[in-house]
Amino acid sequence: AQSVAQPEDQVNVAEGNPLTVKCTYSVSGNPYLFWYVQYPNRGLQFLLKYITGDNLVKGSYGFEAEFNKSQTSFHLKKPSALVSDSALYFCAVRLLKAAGNKLTFGGGTRVLVKP
Amino acid sequence: ETGVTQTPRHLVMGMTNKKSLKCEQHLGHNAMYWYKQSAKKPLELMFVYSLEERVENNSVPSRFSPECPNSSHLFLHLHTLQPEDSALYLCASSQGAGVNYGYTFGSGTRLTVV
Repeated sequence: AQSVAQPEDQVNVAEGNPLTVKCTYSVSGNPYLFWYVQYPNRGLQFLLKYITGDNLVKGSYGFEAEFNKSQTSFHLKKPSALVSDSALYFCAVRLLKAAGNKLTFGGGTRVLVKP
Repeated sequence: ETGVTQTPRHLVMGMTNKKSLKCEQHLGHNAMYWYKQSAKKPLELMFVYSLEERVENNSVPSRFSPECPNSSHLFLHLHTLQPEDSALYLCASSQGAGVNYGYTFGSGTRLTVV
């Protein structure tokens, strides 16, 4: 069975400092990996994805993530955090041939960026 | 707007009421999903529809009844709910197998059961 873990419930960072949100996954095949962000009372918004190719993927709002196959990780990063980045972040994994395109989500990490 | 529209945005219902949540997408996607998001809990996949057929039902109580009349619409019919069913219900859609873009989510319906 596929699974994804976000070990931190919350990450606090000062504005302007680097932001990292951790994600590890467990799948038996080749994964598709995603990051989503959720602002209060909103649905999830797509940030970026890894399918194949370059291990460093760049996404929306200055975010990037690095796929590390040996560590089965896909950590989300931003070099300089903004107060407006405060939100709930979800990592997700999908197998290449998952029935119904099923995405499995992590538990979410709340990011708080302080001025 | 993301292309997936959910109505209503907020719903308060008594435990004996019957109500329905609606989800609509005009993205040309052929798979649709219902997720439940409760406070301090992971996103819970409830139902998956692919090509208008239910392909997954994750042990959801029968008081939740999904309906997918066509590829653009998905409903969640609710009856005799419990207070613990209060949550944000998210609808999502995606393209068929082989597409790389994950899901497009609606903004959700905030359900409160009193």
